[in-house]
Amino acid sequence: AQTVTQSQPEMSVQEAETVTLSCTYDTSESDYYLFWYKQPPSRQMILVIRQEAYKQQNATENRFSVNFQKAAKSFSLKISDSQLGDAAMYFCANTRGGTASKLTFGTGTRLQVTL
Amino acid sequence: KAGVTQTPRYLIKTRGQQVTLSCSPISGHRSVSWYQQTPGQGLQFLFEYFSETQRNKGNFPGRFSGRQFSNSRSEMNVSTLELGDSALYLCASSLRTATDTQYFGPGTRLTVL
Repeated sequence: AQTVTQSQPEMSVQEAETVTLSCTYDTSESDYYLFWYKQPPSRQMILVIRQEAYKQQNATENRFSVNFQKAAKSFSLKISDSQLGDAAMYFCANTRGGTASKLTFGTGTRLQVTL
Repeated sequence: KAGVTQTPRYLIKTRGQQVTLSCSPISGHRSVSWYQQTPGQGLQFLFEYFSETQRNKGNFPGRFSGRQFSNSRSEMNVSTLELGDSALYLCASSLRTATDTQYFGPGTRLTVL
């Protein structure tokens, strides 16, 4: 079974600053994928970033990057130059590869962005 | 390209009734997954359909069921509603599997009285 743990229920960051959201996971699979999804208030959940476990290089999408530590089973999200629009619930998720894949989500981190 | 749509957006039912929720995926997406989101349990996977077949199933009772049509549209049904079924039900579509980017709909907010 896959598990995902997000130990920070809430985080706050000032506009233009950098914040890191933590995520640890557990899996017995060798083929798996990790994700960060963002759920803004009253808006649809969207993918922020995706990481294939077999890739050593950390994924990056504009201001969003991850620190993937495979041995430690850690997958943190770094948001640089934070913007007001980054305020949302952030969910870390993982899935095994193949057709038996299904997302297992963490409990989420609510990110507040202040002026 | 139109996004994932879900109908209805809000629903109020009473205990013991049944309910059907609908999801229209992004054109070309063949995988449709359903998730239940509650404050207490968070986001939990219900089931996934691919090419009209249930391919994966979460740990929910048999009162929760679903189906997928030939055009990839999906419905989920909950029979004999309980108070604990009150939740936001999210549908997500992807090209093939959950390893692909999943595109989520706005959800159906179900309230059971």
